[in-house]
Amino acid sequence: EDQVTQSPEALRLQEGESSSLNCSYTVSGLRGLFWYRQDPGKGPEFLFTLYSAGEEKEKERLKATLTKKESFLHITAPKPEDSATYLCAVQAPYSTDKLIFGTGTRLQVFP
Amino acid sequence: KAGVTQTPRYLIKTRGQQVTLSCSPISGHRSVSWYQQTPGQGLQFLFEYFSETQRNKGNFPGRFSGRQFSNSRSEMNVSTLELGDSALYLCASAHRDPQETQYFGPGTRLLVL
Repeated sequence: EDQVTQSPEALRLQEGESSSLNCSYTVSGLRGLFWYRQDPGKGPEFLFTLYSAGEEKEKERLKATLTKKESFLHITAPKPEDSATYLCAVQAPYSTDKLIFGTGTRLQVFP
Repeated sequence: KAGVTQTPRYLIKTRGQQVTLSCSPISGHRSVSWYQQTPGQGLQFLFEYFSETQRNKGNFPGRFSGRQFSNSRSEMNVSTLELGDSALYLCASAHRDPQETQYFGPGTRLLVL
């Protein structure tokens, strides 16, 4: 069964303290892996799409990487405004546009 | 370009009632997907529509249904509401090429009493 597991469930960082979030997946023939950010009471906001192992994408303090079994979201020198839940989702080849989500990592960055 | 819009944003219903939620995709997007988000289960796929046809359906009971109109707007309906249907219902749209990125709306918060 296709599955996505995110760790840790929650992460508290001091401002400027870099860290990484993990997303491991079991799916045959990955079409794409997606990272979203979600603020409380809002819909997920798209961050990155990764398609093949070795691919990397960056946006401001965030960098996403992909291997054959997992993806990392690296956060460099985070700020309090980076506090949110980060969701990882995968898209399998047979499933048209269906996304399979992990349960997310709740990140808190305090000054 | 305007994002995905969902109406209403908040809804309170009682058990046994039915509810209809609406989603307007990003202009030019033809694929619309619906997800249910709860604290315990996270985001769960409900169904996906493209060109007025349901292409994929998640593991939800038949009380959950949807449709898509010719202008790509979509509605989902939940009949005979149960307490466990309380959730944030999210709609996402995609343009419709392979490996598309889905963009989410703000969601409709449904509370069933």
